[in-house]
Amino acid sequence: DTAVSQTPKYLVTQMGNDKSIKCEQNLGHDTMYWYKQDSKKFLKIMFSYNNKELIINETVPNRFSPKSPDKAHLNLHINSLELGDSAVYFCASSLREDTEAFFGQGTRLTVV
Amino acid sequence: GEDVEQSLFLSVREGDSSVINCTYTDSSSTYLYWYKQEPGAGLQLLTYIFSNMDMKQDQRLTVLLNKKDKHLSLRIADTQTGDSAIYFCAVSNSGYSTLTFGKGTMLLVSP
Repeated sequence: DTAVSQTPKYLVTQMGNDKSIKCEQNLGHDTMYWYKQDSKKFLKIMFSYNNKELIINETVPNRFSPKSPDKAHLNLHINSLELGDSAVYFCASSLREDTEAFFGQGTRLTVV
Repeated sequence: GEDVEQSLFLSVREGDSSVINCTYTDSSSTYLYWYKQEPGAGLQLLTYIFSNMDMKQDQRLTVLLNKKDKHLSLRIADTQTGDSAIYFCAVSNSGYSTLTFGKGTMLLVSP
């Protein structure tokens, strides 16, 4: 019954690997987001999708690519992982861009 | 771009009031939010205020907005140990897709 669910919750991987984090929302929302929270707890938006169309792409390396197979899912693919990618990644969704965003529990990514 | 600053740590005793402060730089910020993050958990929206408001009260929470000084505060009355968490201030001029978060204030409530 979780509104916004992310998998996995924890991910430990070696530098250079390619990994994906999945996100699903069962709220019927139109907009989904990915945020990165670094070690200092600073949150920064990475992407947002509205009806499967990318509407924001902040200064994120192109090793990161969001993929939305349908309105309920927004997965995050990361290629050639680097140590600096270690962070907690949060998925969120909202009915529209100007309505409340519901966040997932976060995925703690550790690159070794 | 927008910059949002918060003090990093606040310690209070149970039953006291807590005041968490936030300053921002973009005067066109229209939406201002407070989120709570408990250990190992996601972000929970606590409350929000629009820039055409000065104050909003919701049970134990009071949000004050000083647009002139670009200062936002969250007051928690009768703070409980369950309020211990990290509180994030977030601002936007166009909804959730452009949220800029502060670094978070860790609130520690001692019995």
